[in-house]
Amino acid sequence: AQSVTQLGSHVSVSEGALVLLRCNYSSSVPPYLFWYVQYPNQGLQLLLKYTTGATLVKGINGFEAEFKKSETSFHLTKPSAHMSDAAEYFCAVSDVTGGYQKVTFGTGTKLQVIP
Amino acid sequence: NAGVTQTPKFRILKIGQSMTLQCTQDMNHNYMYWYRQDPGMGLKLIYYSVGAGITDKGEVPNGYNVSRSTTEDFPLRLELAAPSQTSVYFCASRREGNTDTQYFGPGTRLTVL
Repeated sequence: AQSVTQLGSHVSVSEGALVLLRCNYSSSVPPYLFWYVQYPNQGLQLLLKYTTGATLVKGINGFEAEFKKSETSFHLTKPSAHMSDAAEYFCAVSDVTGGYQKVTFGTGTKLQVIP
Repeated sequence: NAGVTQTPKFRILKIGQSMTLQCTQDMNHNYMYWYRQDPGMGLKLIYYSVGAGITDKGEVPNGYNVSRSTTEDFPLRLELAAPSQTSVYFCASRREGNTDTQYFGPGTRLTVL
């Protein structure tokens, strides 16, 4: 069974500071990994995803994440936080085998950006 | 493309009432999903469909039913609403492959009193 753990339900950073949101996963097969962002009263939008190949993945709005198989991690980073980054972020893992894509979501991390 | 649309945006139900949450996508996606989102719990899969006429249960299907008569529509039916079904419901769709992105609708906020 696959699972996702997001460390920290709330993270606060100052505007201009580094953003680091942590995600660890477990999967019995090579995973596909996703980060989604949810702005207030909206649905989820894809930030970035890792499927195969390069382990450092760049996404929208200056975010990137690195797949580290040895650490079973897929942490999300952004060098300099902007006020517009305040949102909830979800890490997700997808099982690559089987008849359908089962996606398991983490419980989310709310990012607060302090001016 | 409108993407994934959901109606209504908000609804208040009384215990025991029933209702249908509508979901439509115009991207010709085969796969469609219904999730519920509760605070601090992430998203839980209720039902999914891999194509017209094919549906299956997810993690939390009790109290819900779905149908998929067309590629575009995937309604979620609540029978005998209960307070435990107070949640935000999201519909999502994706094309086919395991690496494809899921596209989410804006959600329906349901309160059962």
